[in-house]
Amino acid sequence: AQKVTQAQTEISVVEKEDVTLDCVYETRDTTYYLFWYKQPPSGELVFLIRRNSFDEQNEISGRYSWNFQKSTSSFNFTITASQVVDSAVYFCALSEAQGSGAGSYQLTFGKGTKLSVIP
Amino acid sequence: DTAVSQTPKYLVTQMGNDKSIKCEQNLGHDTMYWYKQDSKKFLKIMFSYNNKELIINETVPNRFSPKSPDKAHLNLHINSLELGDSAVYFCASSQEEGQGENSGNTIYFGEGSWLTVV
Repeated sequence: AQKVTQAQTEISVVEKEDVTLDCVYETRDTTYYLFWYKQPPSGELVFLIRRNSFDEQNEISGRYSWNFQKSTSSFNFTITASQVVDSAVYFCALSEAQGSGAGSYQLTFGKGTKLSVIP
Repeated sequence: DTAVSQTPKYLVTQMGNDKSIKCEQNLGHDTMYWYKQDSKKFLKIMFSYNNKELIINETVPNRFSPKSPDKAHLNLHINSLELGDSAVYFCASSQEEGQGENSGNTIYFGEGSWLTVV
């Protein structure tokens, strides 16, 4: 069974501080995908990144960076120099193929981390 | 221009009513989904369809009936609404990408439909 744990329920930081959101996952599959989504106060779910289990390279996109470590089953997300617009709930998610064929993938979400960036 | 669009965005209705939420994607994806987000923000899959065929049905009550007239549309009909059905319902779509180690399946979500049953 797959599971995603985001131990941090809420985090508050002052603007311009760096913040890391933790994500730990469990899976028996050797092939899987990890995701981060952002849900701002307006409610939509915004895709941020997908990482394949074969690819442990860290990724940086502007102020966002992701650290994927299979040894610790973690996929942490760091926001550098946080801004008020970063305030949102962030979800980590895991996808395995439930069976064979297209459409069999489904996302298992963590419970989310609510980030508040204070001006 | 919206890639995955769903209507209505807000819906308030009485217990016992039947309602539908429509979803359309213009990304050319083969797979569509319905996810439910409860009051604690927990997201869980309800259904997935691939090319109009039901693939995943996650023990959702029979009162929920998805319908996919074509691969660009996946509508959700709910019969005999109950208070516990109040939630945000997200439509999503995806497409298999690449092969082997470069393969993947990124799921893109609509903006959500806020259903309140009173």
